[in-house]
Amino acid sequence: GAGVSQSPSNKVTEKGKDVELRCDPISGHTALYWYRQSLGQGLEFLIYFQGNSAPDKSGLPSDRFSAERTGGSVSTLTIQRTQQEDSAVYLCASSYTGTGRYEQYFGPGTRLTVT
Amino acid sequence: GEDVEQSLFLSVREGDSSVINCTYTDSSSTYLYWYKQEPGAGLQLLTYIFSNMDMKQDQRLTVLLNKKDKHLSLRIADTQTGDSAIYFCAERPSGTYKYIFGTGTRLKVLA
Repeated sequence: GAGVSQSPSNKVTEKGKDVELRCDPISGHTALYWYRQSLGQGLEFLIYFQGNSAPDKSGLPSDRFSAERTGGSVSTLTIQRTQQEDSAVYLCASSYTGTGRYEQYFGPGTRLTVT
Repeated sequence: GEDVEQSLFLSVREGDSSVINCTYTDSSSTYLYWYKQEPGAGLQLLTYIFSNMDMKQDQRLTVLLNKKDKHLSLRIADTQTGDSAIYFCAERPSGTYKYIFGTGTRLKVLA
């Protein structure tokens, strides 16, 4: 079946503009995660959604970052008033929680460049 | 702290075995995972191990788990140039859906 998809694959924006990044999880996966990966770095957790529960937003770096998940499926990560330090690859992952293993399946990422 | 530690780099010759090590932090973690990231791509799940196991073998991959020392390793037999990538270990503490990823080990395979 189809994997996790993300769009756009690349985004170049000017400092101060808002951007929206989209994630389409694997159908039937109830958990969805957003991560940020800066050049040569590991993964920084941003937020996760699990079913109808309140999202865990503990990793969002500032109030310029927000995310929503509509209908338990597609998610959008919004960065307002982008700064150069927001330049990174934003990765989305989804997970099926019914097995207990919760292995995450990742999308290809969106590379964001703020000029 | 919550840091999952990995060495940053590993270089091996084609055909040799590679061993990538990881020290995790939470003894309650019931599953531990290995992911592979090729250049310009997302992370791909390689394998996982349940915490009541000491070893898991999957084709060229062998995972060893030492719960006492909270040490996890990934052995790749007959390493190929296509194995060159960054390898991340991850733990998922009990009671949470959240993963803690290591910093990643960059494996370079020399022909």
